[in-house]
Amino acid sequence: AQTVTQSQPEMSVQEAETVTLSCTYDTSENNYYLFWYKQPPSRQMILVIRQEAYKQQNATENRFSVNFQKAAKSFSLKISDSQLGDTAMYFCAFRTYGGSQGNLIFGKGTKLSVKP
Amino acid sequence: DVKVTQSSRYLVKRTGEKVFLECVQDMDHENMFWYRQDPGLGLRLIYFSYDVKMKEKGDIPEGYSVSREKKERFSLILESASTNQTSMYLCASTQRGGEQFFGPGTRLTVL
Repeated sequence: AQTVTQSQPEMSVQEAETVTLSCTYDTSENNYYLFWYKQPPSRQMILVIRQEAYKQQNATENRFSVNFQKAAKSFSLKISDSQLGDTAMYFCAFRTYGGSQGNLIFGKGTKLSVKP
Repeated sequence: DVKVTQSSRYLVKRTGEKVFLECVQDMDHENMFWYRQDPGLGLRLIYFSYDVKMKEKGDIPEGYSVSREKKERFSLILESASTNQTSMYLCASTQRGGEQFFGPGTRLTVL
């Protein structure tokens, strides 16, 4: 069975600085997707970034980038130039490549606070 | 923009009541999901549906049932609410193989 582990329940960062959120996962699959979701205090969960396991290049979305280490089964999220609006719960999630149902397996989340 | 809506943001019910949580999506997505979110536990899948009238149990289906009579609507039912079902409930939908889109959540309190 696949599992996703986020070892940092809470983190804080000063505005404009860089922070990295950790995520490790366990799977015997070779092809899969990894995601980072953001849940601000208003509670609407939104996708931040996704990575296909078959792609060696790390995904980037503006100030958000990932460090995907397939052999180590590690998928960390780096937020550059942190902004107050980045304050949120961040969830790492995994999905197998095959299958049509799109089930996600989530980590327990990291609560990030950006301080002015 | 994809929109997933949930019938209530906040709900307070009594122990033993039958509770309906409704979720509607407007993008003709085939797959819909119900999650429960608790502090320190992340999101746990209760049930999902990949087609009308089709449903599959997730990781924690006990005490819940679901209904999907129309493609756009997925209902979560608590037949007899209990205090340990006090939680945040999130609905999501996805096209096959695509990103999951989430609703705003329903904070349910069972007294």
